Amino acid sequence: SQELEQSPQSLIVQEGKNLTINCTSSKTLYGLYWYKQKYGEGLIFLMMLQKGGEEKSHEKITAKLDEKKQQSSLHITASQPSHAGIYLCGADHNAGNNRKLIWGLGTSLAVNP
Amino acid sequence: DAGVIQSPRHEVTEMGQEVTLRCKPISGHNSLFWYRQTMMRGLELLIYFNNNVPIDDSGMPEDRFSAKMPNASFSTLKIQPSEPRDSAVYFCASSSWGRGADTQYFGPGTRLTVL
Repeated sequence: SQELEQSPQSLIVQEGKNLTINCTSSKTLYGLYWYKQKYGEGLIFLMMLQKGGEEKSHEKITAKLDEKKQQSSLHITASQPSHAGIYLCGADHNAGNNRKLIWGLGTSLAVNP
Repeated sequence: DAGVIQSPRHEVTEMGQEVTLRCKPISGHNSLFWYRQTMMRGLELLIYFNNNVPIDDSGMPEDRFSAKMPNASFSTLKIQPSEPRDSAVYFCASSSWGRGADTQYFGPGTRLTVL
C-alpha cells in the first residue's frame, strides 16, 4: 500500500551484523504494529507502538516510533539466522473505533551464517 | 491456548468451483479479521467482525466473496465461483478489541490455488 512504505524491500546481512528496517506512513499514525512472517506460516506479533517517541525491545529487536516523521524503525542487534524472515508493519490510521490496519509490503531478511 | 485455527491449510480447486475457508478464533476474542496475501498486493483486509457482526467489508473484492460469523467461535469465507486470480494465501486473525492493546493474532493461513 502506498499509504505505508517499508524499506528496504529486501536485506541480506552477515550473522552478527546490526540492521534497521523502516516503515513510513503517509497519514497520521495512531498505532504501529510489527510482525514477523516465515515462509508458509502466519504472522507472529513482535511489538506495538502507540505514542510518539515510544521505544520497545524484545530480546535483540528494538522498535521505535517517530510521531513527527510518521515513521517507525525496527532495529536488530547482532543478527542471527533465526531472525531471517519477512518483517511487516501494520498501521492504525484511525482516530475512532475502526480496527482496520494498513500493511506494508514487507522486508525480506536473510542472515548468512 | 491453541491459537487461531484455519482449515484447510491448502486448497487446490478448478475455476468455477465453490471454495469455503474456515476459521476458529482464539477463545475470548471478540474481533475477527479475514486477510488475503499476494506477492503483488501484500496483505489486504477483506472484512472484519466485531462481536460476530460485520463492521467493514470494503475490502471484499466482489460479490463472489462472502463471509459469515454465525457464532463467536467460527467464521467462514466463501468464494463462489472461484477464479485463478483468487489464488493467494488467506489469513484469519482475531483480537480482543476494547480490552487493552488491540493486537491481532494470526492463523497459519490457507494457501488457495485456483486452476
